[in-house]
Amino acid sequence: EAGVTQFPSHSVIEKGQTVTLRCDPISGHDNLYWYRRVMGKEIKFLLHFVKESKQDESGMPNNRFLAERTGGTYSTLKVQPAELEDSGVYFCASSQHRVGSGNTIYFGEGSWLTVV
Amino acid sequence: RKEVEQDPGPFNVPEGATVAFNCTYSNSASQSFFWYRQDCRKEPKLLMSVYSSGNEDGRFTAQLNRASQYISLLIRDSKLSDSATYLCVVNKAAGNKLTFGGGTRVLVKP
Repeated sequence: EAGVTQFPSHSVIEKGQTVTLRCDPISGHDNLYWYRRVMGKEIKFLLHFVKESKQDESGMPNNRFLAERTGGTYSTLKVQPAELEDSGVYFCASSQHRVGSGNTIYFGEGSWLTVV
Repeated sequence: RKEVEQDPGPFNVPEGATVAFNCTYSNSASQSFFWYRQDCRKEPKLLMSVYSSGNEDGRFTAQLNRASQYISLLIRDSKLSDSATYLCVVNKAAGNKLTFGGGTRVLVKP
């Protein structure tokens, strides 16, 4: 079974440009999450989809970030315009059930973003 | 104050030795607790969930102390392959988002 896949794995863009990250969750997983880790900080939650609906977007840092999950399958996270402080690794994760003991959430390998 | 705090380490551990480390969490509403393992430039992977009664998985033992709001991880008979960053992760009952600590780095040396 394929795991959570993310594209691109690495991206280097200039400040002010736009980048779109894509995540394909594990087939059949209704729950999809975005997390990110910026330099020197811990991994932080960005948002959570249940199917195509945003369940919780309390972690989105500002309106330069837009996440979508049309059709409830893959998701995209767009950063427009990118700023230097957006550099970091963006992890997508998915789960069949809600988070809780015994319920596993699977992470993708991450999309490493560098804004120069 | 961070919601989940960990000693960043590194813990330098001789192969075959035992190592233990804790993490503290500030939100008493936290309901689910986990240890994740993260290798360099890789994704976090679930090592084990942590239950109130404590639990063991092979050489790994996790404990939860709700009164003092900390969880612990003990690794027995350390292997070179145990070298990694161990992430303490908690989740509030009403929420569906994980809160991560900064990680504890463990280096097992021959």
